[in-house]
Amino acid sequence: KAGVTQTPRYLIKTRGQQVTLSCSPISGHRSVSWYQQTPGQGLQFLFEYFSETQRNKGNFPGRFSGRQFSNSRSEMNVSTLELGDSALYLCASSWTSGRSDEQFFGPGTRLTVL
Amino acid sequence: DQQVKQNSPSLSVQEGRISILNCDYTNSMFDYFLWYKKYPAEGPTFLISISSIKDKNEDGRFTVFLNKSAKHLSLHIVPSQPGDSAVYFCAASVGGAQKLVFGQGTRLTINP
Repeated sequence: KAGVTQTPRYLIKTRGQQVTLSCSPISGHRSVSWYQQTPGQGLQFLFEYFSETQRNKGNFPGRFSGRQFSNSRSEMNVSTLELGDSALYLCASSWTSGRSDEQFFGPGTRLTVL
Repeated sequence: DQQVKQNSPSLSVQEGRISILNCDYTNSMFDYFLWYKKYPAEGPTFLISISSIKDKNEDGRFTVFLNKSAKHLSLHIVPSQPGDSAVYFCAASVGGAQKLVFGQGTRLTINP
C-alpha cells in the first residue's frame, strides 16, 4: 500500500507570494492533518480535514488555509508569504478522525521563503 | 506557551543499554500521549501511545510510563540498538483527537 505522498518535496518562494502544497493520503484514509515544523517552534498543528470538512484548527493566521477534495486529497495554501513561513510542512492521514495513534505522516514539503 | 516540553535536545547512549527519553506537559486536559520517531527526510513514525487511565504501556523494546500527578511521561528503550538513532517527539492530545501538541524533540544517538 502506498504511503502518504506530498508534492512538491521542495519549494522556494519569495515574500508576498502565495503557495499551494498537496497531500495524497493513504488509499482509504479520509482524514488529513497538516503540521508545520520549524527549528524554533517545533511541530505545530495547522488543521485537520475529514470528509471535506475542517474538523480542527490550530493557532495560525488566516493566511493559512486548506481544503479537502472528494477523493480525500488535500491542499494547503499560504498567501502573502513571510520569511517566518519557511518550514517543513507535514501532512498526516488516518482512516478516521479522532484516533491520533493511527496517523501516518508523509515526508513533508520543505518551503523556503526568500 | 509550550504545553509539551522535552528538555533534553540530545541524548547519547551506548548500544545495548537503556535509553530514557523524558517529556513534561502543562495542560491537565491532555489525556492521550504518543511517542513518534523521526529520521531525516522522513515524516514522524508512530511508536507507542498511552491513555491517561494507564500508567504504563509496553510494546517490545519500548515502554512508556505516565505519571499524571507530575505531568510527566518517559519512553524507555531496552536494549538500545543503532537503528534507534533518530529524533524522538512526544505528543499529547485531548480525547485522542488528531490535533496533536508536540514537544521540541530529543535527538537520540546510539553509540556502538
